[in-house]
Amino acid sequence: GQNIDQPTEMTATEGAIVQINCTYQTSGFNGLFWYQQHAGEAPTFLSYNVLDGLEEKGRFSSFLSRSKGYSYLLLKELQMKDSASYLCAVLDSNYQLIWGAGTKLIIKP
Amino acid sequence: ETGVTQTPRHLVMGMTNKKSLKCEQHLGHNAMYWYKQSAKKPLELMFVYSLEERVENNSVPSRFSPECPNSSHLFLHLHTLQPEDSALYLCASSRGEYNEQFFGPGTRLTVL
Repeated sequence: GQNIDQPTEMTATEGAIVQINCTYQTSGFNGLFWYQQHAGEAPTFLSYNVLDGLEEKGRFSSFLSRSKGYSYLLLKELQMKDSASYLCAVLDSNYQLIWGAGTKLIIKP
Repeated sequence: ETGVTQTPRHLVMGMTNKKSLKCEQHLGHNAMYWYKQSAKKPLELMFVYSLEERVENNSVPSRFSPECPNSSHLFLHLHTLQPEDSALYLCASSRGEYNEQFFGPGTRLTVL
């Protein structure tokens, strides 16, 4: 079967750095997405990786290793508004998007 | 403002009711999606439409019936639902089926 694993919940301190991991086992791979979802709101697109390496976008970076079936989202200079759930999703060989259950990130002052 | 709107935002219905959820996208996208989101579970893809043709139906019970009259509008018709159907129903759109998706705010559905 196809599977996406993410930690259920993480806690970090304002101003710090946090890394949210995602591992996947899917039938093929055509890219990996990260989305942010604030409580009671819609998910919003953060990043897309299809090649190995690190993609940086402001305070957020996303890394991919296809050989390891692994990605992480790195958030720097954490702000209180970063408290949200972070969803990892993989596009498989049939171009079907497989979603993880999300990681709830709690930021403490 | 995400460019994808959904109505109603909240809906409470009995098991014998019939209701419809509406989604509209103002982004000129060609693909639209219905998802079900339950607490602490992955997003469940229900239906995919590409250029108004249904391309995916992930074994969704027939009490959920989608309709896509044009590329900007998507409906989810509900009838004789069960309490376990209570969830957040999200609509999304994308330029093509394989591009990043833009989500609406969702409809919080409660079935009594």
